[in-house]
Amino acid sequence: AQKITQTQPGMFVQEKEAVTLDCTYDTSDQSYGLFWYKQPSSGEMIFLIYQGSYDEQNATEGRYSLNFQKARKSANLVISASQLGDSAMYFCAMREALSMNRDDKIIFGKGTRLHILP
Amino acid sequence: DAGVIQSPRHEVTEMGQEVTLRCKPISGHDYLFWYRQTMMRGLELLIYFNNNVPIDDSGMPEDRFSAKMPNASFSTLKIQPSEPRDSAVYFCASTPQGAGELFFGEGSRLTVL
Repeated sequence: AQKITQTQPGMFVQEKEAVTLDCTYDTSDQSYGLFWYKQPSSGEMIFLIYQGSYDEQNATEGRYSLNFQKARKSANLVISASQLGDSAMYFCAMREALSMNRDDKIIFGKGTRLHILP
Repeated sequence: DAGVIQSPRHEVTEMGQEVTLRCKPISGHDYLFWYRQTMMRGLELLIYFNNNVPIDDSGMPEDRFSAKMPNASFSTLKIQPSEPRDSAVYFCASTPQGAGELFFGEGSRLTVL
């Protein structure tokens, strides 16, 4: 069963607009973490933001914020004031079993390809 | 500090040949992950290790694939014999226990003709 779902295969957004990339997850663990990564056309994986399941506030990193809704099991990425350089593939990922003596496992969604239009 | 180092960056081989991909994780990281990325299947987790011990290899597609981690600073992913459908980018990544970031290598692009 797919545990990370990104329902938007592709998105087109006008430059300077805000963007929301959707991510839902499925876990029975109480302790877990959620990540977003950016993959530009050059292929490297760039870490953007992280949210722990016990963090009460939504994570923010510059223009990136993570809209964490625990009850809905969603962890959407919000990019404010989009730029042409934001055009890339974006992956949501989940880390399960953060507690001691349990092995962490990190799995990824299938990604959303974001195109920023000038 | 050196990041995760993968080699080779690019490999082109013929069907039936053995392929070995290598990874050096960041020193001190407990976990090492191998992922395969294709257009159709996205980023698939193949196998991961905790303190050099394989924990979950359920993502390894078939017996042609094997992975080892003989020590904390080195891991290999081997495909024998290789097939055209194995063509993909293979990423290695490492992270400490419970950390908020997974550190990726630059990937190894494999093409099997």
